Amino acid sequence: ETGVTQTPRHLVMGMTNKKSLKCEQHLGHNAMYWYKQSAKKPLELMFVYSLEERVENNSVPSRFSPECPNSSHLFLHLHTLQPEDSALYLCASSVGSYNSPLHFGNGTRLTVT
Amino acid sequence: EDQVTQSPEALRLQEGESSSLNCSYTVSGLRGLFWYRQDPGKGPEFLFTLYSAGEEKEKERLKATLTKKESFLHITAPKPEDSATYLCAVQGVVVDSNSGYALNFGKGTSLLVTP
Repeated sequence: ETGVTQTPRHLVMGMTNKKSLKCEQHLGHNAMYWYKQSAKKPLELMFVYSLEERVENNSVPSRFSPECPNSSHLFLHLHTLQPEDSALYLCASSVGSYNSPLHFGNGTRLTVT
Repeated sequence: EDQVTQSPEALRLQEGESSSLNCSYTVSGLRGLFWYRQDPGKGPEFLFTLYSAGEEKEKERLKATLTKKESFLHITAPKPEDSATYLCAVQGVVVDSNSGYALNFGKGTSLLVTP
């Protein structure tokens, strides 16, 4: 399997649930990203990991918790979310972090009820 | 702060009717400008990277150009399969430890090409 794979594709969760989003890249890249995409808004960078070390946290609420166990896998742990957190969550990877294009997965469509 | 503005928000073309999408940007030193295509229910797909004013890149019916203030994505003789949302993003020089990795995206242009 090639590219960037995200699971699940769709997720519905209540405000008190705990769930995790998973991302796996098969491109040999060393940087991984979480982005949030909401309707009518630009993509928002959430977290960046480079060589498994978190290098950027873009003022994201603590109810979102990332984890990068190795350079191929990235998780986003979710707990006590709000309805306004409903969005498409996109994972991406790149070779290095400067001037390198991002390669995106197809995202997880999250609905918080 | 880096800013990216795309216009128009939406564009409807007849098959074969050429046009251009605009991406205006403000950045403190451009490292790269990126164009992506996004189909409904999918993640953005990388198209081009442009690094300096005057640079041009082509892929099939698409041609991207760059000036110091804006980029254009020219679509020549489009087909229905070119229908998608086209996203522009810029990466500026590192200002501090929290800005070096960010791609700043525009809101996109939604393109519909009808037969």
